[in-house]
Amino acid sequence: DAGVIQSPRHEVTEMGQEVTLRCKPISGHNSLFWYRQTMMRGLELLIYFNNNVPIDDSGMPEDRFSAKMPNASFSTLKIQPSEPRDSAVYFCASRRGDEKLFFGSGTQLSVL
Amino acid sequence: DQQVKQNSPSLSVQEGRISILNCDYTNSMFDYFLWYKKYPAEGPTFLISISSIKDKNEDGRFTVFLNKSAKHLSLHIVPSQPGDSAVYFCAASGGGGSTLGRLYFGRGTQLTVWP
Repeated sequence: DAGVIQSPRHEVTEMGQEVTLRCKPISGHNSLFWYRQTMMRGLELLIYFNNNVPIDDSGMPEDRFSAKMPNASFSTLKIQPSEPRDSAVYFCASRRGDEKLFFGSGTQLSVL
Repeated sequence: DQQVKQNSPSLSVQEGRISILNCDYTNSMFDYFLWYKKYPAEGPTFLISISSIKDKNEDGRFTVFLNKSAKHLSLHIVPSQPGDSAVYFCAASGGGGSTLGRLYFGRGTQLTVWP
């Protein structure tokens, strides 16, 4: 299996622009998580889906952030408009049932 | 509010010696604990876990200890090797209700093993 696939690996954009991060979970996994890693807060959960349905989005910072999972093999995290404080590494992770979580390689986002 | 805390941002250990990474949690409902390891430019990878019904779990050079009364767990690496140099994240799950299925992570500890 190719593992959790995230794109792009790096994204540099200007403040105010829309940013879309993409994730393909491992086939057969029914839960998908979006995390953000910063020095100050470590790994913080933004949102997670179970069977394509958002279960907990309490970690989404504000209305500028939105996430979708239109089917079992694809999810997006969108930031509109982006701000410099959104600069971080964004990880997508997936798992099957209560099994361990598998992470993608992350998207390094820099908002100038 | 951090429910899982790793108070040491970094740890430096000589090769061959023991590395001890510590983690504290505040939610007494947590019933499953994990350690993840992260190399630069990669995502975290699962290392070892422990259920709250146990107080120790061992896997090769890695042992996790759980002290429920103190809400504390630790990861021991013996002997430490330079390839163990990475960021280690402690995580916990449980609590039921709306938090079911959610993993709470600490901020991580950067372990450096020098020759």
